[in-house]
Amino acid sequence: NAGVTQTPKFRVLKTGQSMTLLCAQDMNHEYMYWYRQDPGMGLRLIHYSVGEGTTAKGEVPDGYNVSRLKKQNFLLGLESAAPSQTSVYFCASSYCRQGCEQYFGPGTRLTVT
Amino acid sequence: DQQVKQNSPSLSVQEGRISILNCDYTNSMFDYFLWYKKYPAEGPTFLISISSIKDKNEDGRFTVFLNKSAKHLSLHIVPSQPGDSAVYFCAAIDPNDYKLSFGAGTTVTVRA
Repeated sequence: NAGVTQTPKFRVLKTGQSMTLLCAQDMNHEYMYWYRQDPGMGLRLIHYSVGEGTTAKGEVPDGYNVSRLKKQNFLLGLESAAPSQTSVYFCASSYCRQGCEQYFGPGTRLTVT
Repeated sequence: DQQVKQNSPSLSVQEGRISILNCDYTNSMFDYFLWYKKYPAEGPTFLISISSIKDKNEDGRFTVFLNKSAKHLSLHIVPSQPGDSAVYFCAAIDPNDYKLSFGAGTTVTVRA
């Protein structure tokens, strides 16, 4: 049981390049989330999904797109990376929305130069 | 505008003593609160939670206290151990959208 996994662990992009971050969970969770963590700001929600085929915007969605084609996978895309997207990205999943914890992946450290 | 605030970015405590972490929130609709612990190069892991209908929840060395009138919660770790050295995040859920709002985190260092 691997829990929540994220690939890649590290990535350096040049401004304007695109990339996709992959999140996978093997806990059969309905709900999945993408966060970014920046110094002094905690974790901020980018996008989330309440089930296969559904996505919704979070607190800071601009510059990102997501897809949830399979229940176990949640992809985060950057179409044209900007230095402001330099951050650590965390994926999380949960089995319910209210009153249950989210399980986090180990994170992806992204640097945009 | 951050709705969950952890005003102490760091805390240093001697092994065996009590660690007290504080968290304030502004959204009176929050009805569920969680604490997460994070080690370097790892994702946050769930530690303890409390519903807004309670004022205290205890799990081993960890106790969370909620004061709804003051919009304040705290996490007590007794006794503190070296393995408790980590970043601790306070988080809250708004039942209107079920999203988690996180504080900025408090870095705890337990000294031997």
